[in-house]
Amino acid sequence: AQSVTQPDIHITVSEGASLELRCNYSYGATPYLFWYVQSPGQGLQLLLKYFSGDTLVQGIKGFEAEFKRSQSSFNLRKPSVHWSDAAEYFCAVGEYGNKLVFGAGTILRVKS
Amino acid sequence: SAVISQKPSRDICQRGTSLTIQCQVDSQVTMMFWYRQQPGQSLTLIATANQGSEATYESGFVIDKFPISRPNLTFSTLTVSNMSPEDSSIYLCSAGGNSYEQYFGPGTRLTVT
Repeated sequence: AQSVTQPDIHITVSEGASLELRCNYSYGATPYLFWYVQSPGQGLQLLLKYFSGDTLVQGIKGFEAEFKRSQSSFNLRKPSVHWSDAAEYFCAVGEYGNKLVFGAGTILRVKS
Repeated sequence: SAVISQKPSRDICQRGTSLTIQCQVDSQVTMMFWYRQQPGQSLTLIATANQGSEATYESGFVIDKFPISRPNLTFSTLTVSNMSPEDSSIYLCSAGGNSYEQYFGPGTRLTVT
């Protein structure tokens, strides 16, 4: 079965600073990879996805992620964080049956 | 993308009772899923809701506890039966096609006392 590891439970960054959230997956073939964001009391919103092709994918809200097969990673980045980015971020990998397997999540705090 | 609504948004229930959560999608979708998110935890898939047939449950989840209906391509319900405090969670519905991409509803926050 596929698995997703998000090594950082909490991350705190200053507003305006850059951000990188880590995600590692286990999957034998080319994975379908996703990043979702969950604001407090809300459902999950899809930030971006990787299916194939260009390994650097752009998403909404100024986020991007880079797929690195050699490192089994799909890290999420943003060059300048805004206070409204404070939320929980989930990395997910597609599994047989069109299902998603989620990582444990990373809670982002933004210092003003 | 699809827009998904859930009802109720939250509820407080007594142990031993049942709650049915509704999920409505604004367009026809191939796949619908139900997840549980326990406090401070990630999402765990409960089942895939299949249109016109019985849901497919993940390991650790059974139909008697979480009966699911999907009468058409835009609607599904999840019932949490004979509730205990351990069932206190957020329950999320999602919808997707054949590309693994899923869109989520706002969730139903359930507290069992």
